Amino acid sequence: DSGVTQTPKHLITATGQRVTLRCSPRSGDLSVYWYQQSLDQGLQFLIQYYNGEERAKGNILERFSAQQFPDLHSELNLSSLELGDSALYFCASSVGGGQGYGYTFGSGTRLTVV
Amino acid sequence: TQLLEQSPQFLSIQEGENLTVYCNSSSVFSSLQWYRQEPGEGPVLLVTVVTGGEVKKLKRLTFQFGDARKDSSLHITAAQPGDTGLYLCAGPKNAGNMLTFGGGTRLMVKP
Repeated sequence: DSGVTQTPKHLITATGQRVTLRCSPRSGDLSVYWYQQSLDQGLQFLIQYYNGEERAKGNILERFSAQQFPDLHSELNLSSLELGDSALYFCASSVGGGQGYGYTFGSGTRLTVV
Repeated sequence: TQLLEQSPQFLSIQEGENLTVYCNSSSVFSSLQWYRQEPGEGPVLLVTVVTGGEVKKLKRLTFQFGDARKDSSLHITAAQPGDTGLYLCAGPKNAGNMLTFGGGTRLMVKP
């Protein structure tokens, strides 16, 4: 157990639907990162939150949004889902928001859009 | 084109062999990290290298950061089936802590 908890582990949904992925960071970590992993694109950074505020944005689609709550858990919302959104979605956390901190990853949510 | 290029993409070897995988960039990084990912799991941090020329050892794994801080290598001595997995290098992309990852090297060690 890495200390980062992601739910659900698997999700199957239809095109056009909306889903919410949840992440609880490791105790004491203030930063949460969301990554998308697909076979052809590798690990792609989506968004980072630090202590409740958005810190950095990557190649996140407008259909996707995220937030970090006061208890530091984070949710990634994916809407108007398309077949191409099928992927593994990972949440990671770190102590700080600056350079040099290693990430602790959760086990991921496998999203399948049918 | 990825900011961090890893080679080889795939490697299949017999137990007991040695191997080296590479992580290269045209950009200078303040630090580089190596992760290992097993099927169905998230990546797990193995090491962070910070100083150019730095060498770190973790049991049978040796990590080196290039003098110019543009590349890194991971050498495994006497590979074991338990070393099987996806090896990823990663580095901070900008002033923040957001890591950019290489495409990975998928290693299979056969008994």
